[in-house]
Amino acid sequence: QKEVEQDPGPLSVPEGAIVSLNCTYSNSAFQYFMWYRQYSRKGPELLMYTYSSGNKEDGRFTAQVDKSSKYISLFIRDSQPSDSATYLCAMSTNTGNQFYFGTGTSLTVIP
Amino acid sequence: DGGITQSPKYLFRKEGQNVTLSCEQNLNHDAMYWYRQDPGQGLRLIYYSQIVNDFQKGDIAEGYSVSREKKESFPLTVTSAQKNPTAFYLCASSIPGRGPDTQYFGPGTRLTVL
Repeated sequence: QKEVEQDPGPLSVPEGAIVSLNCTYSNSAFQYFMWYRQYSRKGPELLMYTYSSGNKEDGRFTAQVDKSSKYISLFIRDSQPSDSATYLCAMSTNTGNQFYFGTGTSLTVIP
Repeated sequence: DGGITQSPKYLFRKEGQNVTLSCEQNLNHDAMYWYRQDPGQGLRLIYYSQIVNDFQKGDIAEGYSVSREKKESFPLTVTSAQKNPTAFYLCASSIPGRGPDTQYFGPGTRLTVL
């Protein structure tokens, strides 16, 4: 079983839709939960992260962590064509420097 | 501008040849990482280094080697022992123990074995 599981998609939505991206994990020691955005042939860039459980909001983006279910989500409101990219979830423990990545979900927002 | 640079952007290699990928950072970060990205497999850790002259194997180190002689530089050599080296290689750096918002990725090198 992989440490982190993520549905690869692809996901295609119309502009303005709410997008939900999800990951599950197996290691209960994970404390940092990250979401990266990666445009084609570029390096990933950190969108947002949460520490332990709870929600975090940044503009149109909301990250949620449910540690009891080992499930994290990223919601994108009012999606824009510029949001078209691959979204990667990643996790790490409190002390470790190793990040464990999901496979990434490819998102296309259609104008 | 502070950041991570990787060169070259595209690299072609014949089977049986070793090749070295460059990674340089001017962020004054102690930790540096090499990841490999394949379609449908996400990012997998090859090697990481938390301090100069020290490095550890990641999940898929076989067929790869690294050195960390300077804080700014963490080159990766893909040897002929790597069975399937065609992939997108990403270098990253961070401040150890300071949280994920200190980790930055380079633009990547796409290696193709002919």
